[in-house]
Amino acid sequence: QSVLTQPPSVSGTPGQTVTISCSGSSSNTGTYAVNWYQQVSGMAPKALMYSHNQRPSWVPDRFSGSKSGTSASLAINGLQSEDEAYYYCAAWDDSLNAVIFGGGTKLTVL
Amino acid sequence: QVQLQESGPGLVKSSETLSLTCLVSGSSLTSYYWSWIRQPPGKGLEWIGYVYYSGNTKYNPSLKSRVSISIDTSEKTFSLKVTSVTAADSAVYYCVRTASAESFDIWGQGTMVTVSS
Repeated sequence: QSVLTQPPSVSGTPGQTVTISCSGSSSNTGTYAVNWYQQVSGMAPKALMYSHNQRPSWVPDRFSGSKSGTSASLAINGLQSEDEAYYYCAAWDDSLNAVIFGGGTKLTVL
Repeated sequence: QVQLQESGPGLVKSSETLSLTCLVSGSSLTSYYWSWIRQPPGKGLEWIGYVYYSGNTKYNPSLKSRVSISIDTSEKTFSLKVTSVTAADSAVYYCVRTASAESFDIWGQGTMVTVSS
């Protein structure tokens, strides 16, 4: 069981908006930056969002991030078939003295 | 563009040492941390640790007693060693450029390492 809790799966149809949550505690998401990664099946993960809501240059603005208290969220607007992937959140954890990842969320585009 | 490429044996015997190297191209090694992250088949991601260009390191406490990460700035490589491996160490190992706030911005393609008995 991961310290950062994500829903195992979410789904949506093309054009819809989906949101993936990442719930932690004061020792991780409540204090430190939350980063998000996308992993298409069979590929290496790719950076998607830094410090809650900063997108790398290669990420379209359909993707957005937010954080409130000890929870963070990733929103994907205008869902496309190429968005089908696993999504992981990550943050530093003071108690574990390590970077920790959420268990991952599988996004299915119906 | 920045590229990271892992290399090393794909098969390691139980109780032996796993050794991997990552070659960095298109990026200076300075001003970044350089991490190793692994992913067992069908499972999630686990941060192993990182090395700074100065040689300073930080490891995941869950692996700290068995792990060492080193860097060779002249060769533009950094390396991972995991001692006394077991089947639980079988995973895809990724080398990753790491910026501030432990953000992993550039990933290698990954290399699968299987521990055999």
